[in-house]
Amino acid sequence: QKEVEQNSGPLSVPEGAIASLNCTYSDRGSQSFFWYRQYSGKSPELIMSIYSNGDKEDGRFTAQLNKASQYVSLLIRDSQPSDSATYLCAVRGNYGQNFVFGPGTRLSVLP
Amino acid sequence: DAGITQSPRHKVTETGTPVTLRCHQTENHRYMYWYRQDPGHGLRLIHYSYGVKDTDKGEVSDGYSVSRSKTEDFLLTLESATSSQTSVYFCAISEADREEYFGPGTRLTVT
Repeated sequence: QKEVEQNSGPLSVPEGAIASLNCTYSDRGSQSFFWYRQYSGKSPELIMSIYSNGDKEDGRFTAQLNKASQYVSLLIRDSQPSDSATYLCAVRGNYGQNFVFGPGTRLSVLP
Repeated sequence: DAGITQSPRHKVTETGTPVTLRCHQTENHRYMYWYRQDPGHGLRLIHYSYGVKDTDKGEVSDGYSVSRSKTEDFLLTLESATSSQTSVYFCAISEADREEYFGPGTRLTVT
C-alpha cells in the first residue's frame, strides 16, 4: 500500500511568517510530486510540481524535494490570511501510475 | 483555469436509485479521473480513464461504474445509491504523468 503522510494540523502562523508544510511518502520509486491548495468548499488547486531533488521557487512558494529521505515540503514566505486553506501533497509513481494524495494539512494564518 | 465542468453541482437522491454524474473537459487531455473526498479519508480514486473506452478501477470502485465514449466526457454512475456514497465527487484531468487539474465538484447526498 503506497502511503503519503502529512501533519494534519491545524498549523497556525502569524501573518508575514514562513509556513512550513511537510509530506513523506512510502514508495521509493515515486517520480513526481505536487502541492495543491484547497479552500473550504472548493476544489483542489495546483500550486507547484517538483520532479528533481532540490528546491523550486515560484513567487512566495518554495517546494523542496529529497528523494533519498522520501520527503517533500512546501514553504510559504510572507504568509497572508488568504493562504489559510488545506494543503494537499500528491505523489505519482512511475509513468502511468496514479496519484496518491496525503490527508492534507490545514493552515491558518492569523492577522 | 482548466476547462472542466461537472454536472450536476448538487444532488439529493434516495437510497437505491441510480445516479449519473458527468464530467466534461475542453482541454483534450487523455486522462480523466473520478475521486471522492470525505472527512478523515482525503481524496480517493474511484475510476480513471486513459482514453476513449479505456477505463480502470481505482482504490474505491465498488458500487460505481464509468464510461467514456468521447474524449471530452467521463461519466460516473452509482448503480444503486447508498448512504455511504454521500460525498463530494471531483473529476480531474491530466496528460500522461503530469499535473492533474480538478473540476468544481459535485456534492451528492443520498437519503
